[in-house]
Amino acid sequence: IQMTQSPSSLSASVGDRVTITCRASQRIDDYLNWYQQTPGKAPKLLIYGASRLERGVPSRFSGSGSVTAFTLTINSLQPEDIATYYCQQSYTLPYTFGQGTNLEIK
Amino acid sequence: QVQLQESGPGLVKPSQTLSLTCAVSGGSISSANWFWSWIRQPAGKGLEWIGRFRSSQTPSYNPSLRSRVTISMDTSTNQFSLELSSVTAADTAVYYCARESLEARDNGGYYDFSDFWGQGILVTVSS
Repeated sequence: IQMTQSPSSLSASVGDRVTITCRASQRIDDYLNWYQQTPGKAPKLLIYGASRLERGVPSRFSGSGSVTAFTLTINSLQPEDIATYYCQQSYTLPYTFGQGTNLEIK
Repeated sequence: QVQLQESGPGLVKPSQTLSLTCAVSGGSISSANWFWSWIRQPAGKGLEWIGRFRSSQTPSYNPSLRSRVTISMDTSTNQFSLELSSVTAADTAVYYCARESLEARDNGGYYDFSDFWGQGILVTVSS
């Protein structure tokens, strides 16, 4: 299953609302995870099951969508949110990731 | 708190076998509650799922690598390993080990997500 994210890169200001989109090449119901990766670090789980917030993740992060179209929203962008974000489908093996969205601060 | 730590050679010659180990603490790899997986990331690129295992089950591999990959476990040391044979420069990447957890869905089935990761180890394939 191919996962396609848009945009590939994004520049926003602190306090902005940011939305990243992920599309699956076939239906994956709500088997969709979102990860955040900062330079030199391992990915960190943010959202699983399309909309379920991982424990300890700030509530400004939220996820939505189902079947083939999904979004990750960051409300009130903070400087520490600068990272690359990846979606991943866990509907069928091999699990596949989107190409990533690089989020920068204006 | 679960912790994972990758170890192994940082440099492998072309055509040889890449061998890495992941040491797990805070959770048993013998438990059927989790999968244990390997994921890699070439420099400046995205993530590629390599494969995984769960205790008492046959490992699953990415078809793109299946002919060259073996994942195994050592319950006596609570470690699991990755072997990738016949490596080329295209296998140069940061390799991560991770734990996959499962959570029941309301509509049946289980959500599956990587909630703990190692710090990653850079493996370079070069002569």
